Amino acid sequence: GDSVTQMEGPVTLSEEAFLTINCTYTATGYPSLFWYVQYPGEGLQLLLKATKADDKGSNKGFEATYRKETTSFHLEKGSVQVSDSAVYFCALSDQAQAGTALIFGKGTTLSVSS
Amino acid sequence: NAGVTQTPKFRILKIGQSMTLQCTQDMNHNYMYWYRQDPGMGLKLIYYSVGAGITDKGEVPNGYNVSRSTTEDFPLRLELAAPSQTSVYFCASSYSGDSNQPQHFGDGTRLSIL
Repeated sequence: GDSVTQMEGPVTLSEEAFLTINCTYTATGYPSLFWYVQYPGEGLQLLLKATKADDKGSNKGFEATYRKETTSFHLEKGSVQVSDSAVYFCALSDQAQAGTALIFGKGTTLSVSS
Repeated sequence: NAGVTQTPKFRILKIGQSMTLQCTQDMNHNYMYWYRQDPGMGLKLIYYSVGAGITDKGEVPNGYNVSRSTTEDFPLRLELAAPSQTSVYFCASSYSGDSNQPQHFGDGTRLSIL
C-alpha cells in the first residue's frame, strides 16, 4: 500500500542555517504531495503542496519539488528562524485510498536556536 | 472564520467510560475525517465521511463509532474507553475527494485514559 518515509528527527539548527528534511513515498496511483507543519499545542497547518511531477510547492521561504523519478518530496529552506521550530509532516493523498485520506510520515521535529 | 472546531481540548477518562469528541466545520466541506496521533508517529485514519449520512472505516476503526447527520458535524464516539485509546485526536475536512484538495485540521483533543 501507499506509504511515506521521512527522515528521523530531531533536527537541531542554528538560526539562518540551511534546512533539508527528506521525504520519499510509495504510491500505486498518481498522488498529490503535501507538507504540513504542527506548532506546539496546535493542529496541523498546510505548509505547501504539489499535485504533479516536477511541480514545486513554496510558502514562507520553504520549498519542495515533486520528483517522480526518485519518488521524493524533500523540504528545504535557505535560512531558518527560531519561529520555524515545529514538527513537519510529509503526506500524500491518493484517490486510490479510501476517502482520499492523507497518508502521513512519522514527522520530523525541528528545533532552531538563536 | 472558525474553520474546524474540536471540543473538548483535553479530557481524562477512566477505563470503561464513554465519551463523544465533537467536531464541527463552517466551510461547507463535504469530506470529513478523524485521525489519531500517537507519540512519534504520523496520523492514522479512524473514520471518514464523504457527505451527510455516509461514513466509512479507516485504518484503525476498532473501539470507535461516528455519525454524520449534518454537513457541519462529525462526532467521534468512544463506547468503552481503553488505555490503548490514549492519544491526540484530530478532525479534518476537505471540500472534495480530489487528491489535490488540502485538508483543514482542528486543534485536536488530547485524551488520556487511566
